[in-house]
Amino acid sequence: GESVGLHLPTLSVQEGDNSIINCAYSNSASDYFIWYKQESGKGPQFIIDIRSNMDKRQGQRVTVLLNKTVKHLSLQIAATQPGDSAVYFCAEDGNTGNQFYFGTGTSLTVIP
Amino acid sequence: NAGVTQTPKFQVLKTGQSMTLQCAQDMNHEYMSWYRQDPGMGLRLIHYSVGAGITDQGEVPNGYNVSRSTTEDFPLRLLSAAPSQTSVYFCASSYSGGRMNNSPLHFGNGTRLTVT
Repeated sequence: GESVGLHLPTLSVQEGDNSIINCAYSNSASDYFIWYKQESGKGPQFIIDIRSNMDKRQGQRVTVLLNKTVKHLSLQIAATQPGDSAVYFCAEDGNTGNQFYFGTGTSLTVIP
Repeated sequence: NAGVTQTPKFQVLKTGQSMTLQCAQDMNHEYMSWYRQDPGMGLRLIHYSVGAGITDQGEVPNGYNVSRSTTEDFPLRLLSAAPSQTSVYFCASSYSGGRMNNSPLHFGNGTRLTVT
């Protein structure tokens, strides 16, 4: 099966600093990658996505970087705020056509 | 749009009981799926559907049934609940266009199930 992992299970940052959350994926044929944010007691919420024909994509305060050579994905959050405290998941489509594969998540804590 | 709606939010069952977890979406999404989330294991796919009348098994289908009679609804049935089915269950949908790489999954807020 697919293996999508995260380098660090927890991350603490000071409010206002930038956060970087990393993800390793195993299937070099994966074509589509997504970052999700999950707050306590809620379902995963879409943050940003990227396709394999891109290296970088920017959203509002977030940037996703894709390095296909080493099968690595990262999420950068600029000027981290207390509301960014949550668990962040990466997901890949595995190029299977029928499901996504999820990592176990990184817990981000923002220190005021 | 309400998005993906799951009911109930919480449920406690005794071993051997059966129940149905409801999921509805109002986005006209073709693809719907059920995941379970357990500590340290990430989201695991139980069953999925690529359209009304079509369902298929995911990674962990044993003990669960699904049906897709309409585009909007995708209920998950536990036939005979076991303690190993204690988990948080998420329903998710997307406009797949036939492939998963067209759009992201949209999740409901989950059903927290405890089996004693």
